[in-house]
Amino acid sequence: EAQVTQNPRYLITVTGKKLTVTCSQNMNHEYMSWYRQDPGLGLRQIYYSMNVEVTDKGDVPEGYKVSRKEKRNFPLILESPSPNQTSLYFCASSLWWHRGGRFSYNEQFFGPGTRLTVL
Amino acid sequence: ELKVEQNPLFLSMQEGKNYTIYCNYSTTSDRLYWYRQDPGKSLESLFVLLSNGAVKQEGRLMASLDTKARLSTLHITAAVHDLSATYFCAVGVLTGGAQKLVFGQGTRLTINP
Repeated sequence: EAQVTQNPRYLITVTGKKLTVTCSQNMNHEYMSWYRQDPGLGLRQIYYSMNVEVTDKGDVPEGYKVSRKEKRNFPLILESPSPNQTSLYFCASSLWWHRGGRFSYNEQFFGPGTRLTVL
Repeated sequence: ELKVEQNPLFLSMQEGKNYTIYCNYSTTSDRLYWYRQDPGKSLESLFVLLSNGAVKQEGRLMASLDTKARLSTLHITAAVHDLSATYFCAVGVLTGGAQKLVFGQGTRLTINP
């Protein structure tokens, strides 16, 4: 089954304790992205990756790190979590291609979400 | 900075009625996506609109895109309870070939029997 998986699904931690949320997709997608969802704000992009070893900041990257060593995996790292990072986190992936001078993307497929609470 | 605004943010309607959710955005884009989110669940892709005048329909939902007006609509026909969910529009913005999705705030739709 084509899917995006995230682990853990729920996490309660304390300020300053480093954590990693894993994301994996089995659709051979080049593009992967992390979002956080907060009430009334919709989803905001944290980081994205066009391909292996290529990552870039989204709109709210402060306090987060990512890496893309393999095509299928895109972990999100919080080196020193703070309470304002309490949120619902989604990983997503999609195909993209370049043809005739135009970049095209299909829709992004989202993982099940990780609910993080930082005390 | 691109802003994406949905209207209304909350909508309560009766089964059998028609209604429209509006998605306005502030900069040029010809890529717009609609997603559905059920409570406690992930986002499910509904429609991908990639050109001016694009119209797509699936069951009781129809989405359209007017890139000149920077407006997309999601029309619900003869609503049924199963369509109760939060609906998000997202605008695709290209920077150097990388696409970022900028989401609206979401419209929480409740359909009452």
